[in-house]
Amino acid sequence: ETGVTQSPTHLIKTRGQQVTLRCSSQSGHNTVSWYQQALGQGPQFIFQYYREEENGRGNFPPRFSGLQFPNYSSELNVNALELDDSALYLCASSSGLAGVRVRGTQYFGPGTRLLVL
Amino acid sequence: KNEVEQSPQNLTAQEGEFITINCSYSVGISALHWLQQHPGGGIVSLFMLSSGKKKHGRLIATINIQEKHSSLHITASHPRDSAVYICAVRTSGSRLTFGEGTQLTVNP
Repeated sequence: ETGVTQSPTHLIKTRGQQVTLRCSSQSGHNTVSWYQQALGQGPQFIFQYYREEENGRGNFPPRFSGLQFPNYSSELNVNALELDDSALYLCASSSGLAGVRVRGTQYFGPGTRLLVL
Repeated sequence: KNEVEQSPQNLTAQEGEFITINCSYSVGISALHWLQQHPGGGIVSLFMLSSGKKKHGRLIATINIQEKHSSLHITASHPRDSAVYICAVRTSGSRLTFGEGTQLTVNP
């Protein structure tokens, strides 16, 4: 158990719909990173939030957006879902300072498996 | 070419065998992680390395910064070690770049 929780565990949507995934970070961690893992591939970095501000973004279109709340929990929103968005979405929490090397490791949640039909 | 390459992609071993999984990277890094992912999808962090060697139980991880190479070793492998092992490097900030993973199957 890492103390990082994600909801829902599984989700089925249709093309064009919107989805919100949630992540509660480990106590004391102020940084949340989101990753997309397609079947049979390694995770890909989507973006990171540090103290409610976006702190880095991977190669994902603007329809992937996020939020971090004062309690450091986070949401990943995906609009206009496409079939290729079907994947496992992982969040990871860590402690750190923006622009400075993060101390310690990242703790991963169990993931949300999204299927887009 | 991926920034992080792992080998082998798939590995099947008999219980008790010594296992090595390799990771090479082509970018400057501040740390390297070895992660374990079970079929349900959950990821567990095994090691974080920036130099040298770390050991935890039957697992040993080494890193050679000059050669941009890391290895994960499992001694006396067991069927419960069956999982996907992923190498990930930390580049800018705390962004992680992942390898494709190595599927390990240990048969009894």
